[in-house]
Amino acid sequence: AQSVTQLGSHVSVSEGALVLLRCNYSSSVPPYLFWYVQYPNQGLQLLLKYTSAATLVKGINGFEAEFKKSETSFHLTKPSAHMSDAAEYFCAVRFSGGGADGLTFGKGTHLIIQP
Amino acid sequence: DGGITQSPKYLFRKEGQNVTLSCEQNLNHDAMYWYRQDPGQGLRLIYYSQIVNDFQKGDIAEGYSVSREKKESFPLTVTSAQKNPTAFYLCASSILGSPSVRGELFFGEGSRLTVL
Repeated sequence: AQSVTQLGSHVSVSEGALVLLRCNYSSSVPPYLFWYVQYPNQGLQLLLKYTSAATLVKGINGFEAEFKKSETSFHLTKPSAHMSDAAEYFCAVRFSGGGADGLTFGKGTHLIIQP
Repeated sequence: DGGITQSPKYLFRKEGQNVTLSCEQNLNHDAMYWYRQDPGQGLRLIYYSQIVNDFQKGDIAEGYSVSREKKESFPLTVTSAQKNPTAFYLCASSILGSPSVRGELFFGEGSRLTVL
């Protein structure tokens, strides 16, 4: 079955440190990949997306993600964490030829920024 | 400003009562979606619609119903048949087109339903 896995329900980093949030998918065909961010009691906002044009994708707020087909991964990174980055992050996948429309979301990673 | 409006933001209901959550968009998007969010579970698709008067079940449609009488509106009814309705409900929309474009969902602020 096609699935999305985010490793680590909670990730804690110090302000100024590297942020790395992991996302792996299971599919034999490269899908379309997305990262969304959610602040408390709000909807989700698109951070970036992979559409096969380039494997390194830059998004908003200094985030970027690299698509690695051999590892079936799409990890999200940011060189230097800010307090304002504290939020829930979701990896989402649109599988090619999938049944229902819409995206398949991972379970989310809560990013905690330590001062 | 264009966007998606969900109402109410917070809703309390007694067990066994039907509840309708409103979702309106002025983005002129064809596709609309309802997701349910539970802590540690991510988002799960309830229903989606790509055109007026047509909608499809998602992964967890049991106990829910929707309608799409207007392009701008996609209300969700949580019926008494839904076993565990307490959750955060998110409405989203997108334009139709390539799969990558469809993945760019625009979300409302959500409605938090608590069943007492």
